[in-house]
Amino acid sequence: GAVVSQHPSRVICKSGTSVKIECRSLDFQATTMFWYRQFPKKSLMLMATSNEGSKATYEQGVEKDKFLINHASLTLSTLTVTSAHPEDSSFYICSAAGTSGFYNEQFFGPGTRLTVL
Amino acid sequence: GQNIDQPTEMTATEGAIVQINCTYQTSGFNGLFWYQQHAGEAPTFLSYNVLDGLEEKGRFSSFLSRSKGYSYLLLKELQMKDSASYLCAVIVGGGNKLTFGTGTQLKVEL
Repeated sequence: GAVVSQHPSRVICKSGTSVKIECRSLDFQATTMFWYRQFPKKSLMLMATSNEGSKATYEQGVEKDKFLINHASLTLSTLTVTSAHPEDSSFYICSAAGTSGFYNEQFFGPGTRLTVL
Repeated sequence: GQNIDQPTEMTATEGAIVQINCTYQTSGFNGLFWYQQHAGEAPTFLSYNVLDGLEEKGRFSSFLSRSKGYSYLLLKELQMKDSASYLCAVIVGGGNKLTFGTGTQLKVEL
């Protein structure tokens, strides 16, 4: 149990386009979802926390108008990178916490590799 | 702010034991996780400590000292597949928001 999926796994886009990444909890209800980005050989940096049905809370330095997060249901959150630029190229990972595991355990998705040309 | 530090890189020999340290300075500490991450993949859960002491799980053990702001991950009988990045992460407060350490890249050699 406690499986989190992400789609797509890889995406290549042109500069200026928008990209949507989906994160789904497959077998449990995710009351909270988290979005991270990770640069090569670096650790995970939390971008934002989203609770189902409410606005996301962004970490300091993360532009909320550029990284749009929607958590419309207990099994789905989306991250949209708007007007992507090459510096947005990164590995984006979501995680979910909710009705599975111990109360503060997060389950991670497999990640999405975004390359902006 | 929160500081969570780990050594950047470590190298060890197959079959040996390696200890990866994590020191943290946070307020409202409420638990520490260790994750393993292979390149291009999601982190996978290894251990969780919230009380002082040693938690053992097969070849992997994790230790926590809350008073010292210190944890370590001990890997025994190292295998080549253990070559990966190891991340410690701290939960602060009553929620489940994780703050990750800098990560340690472990290389296991023959």
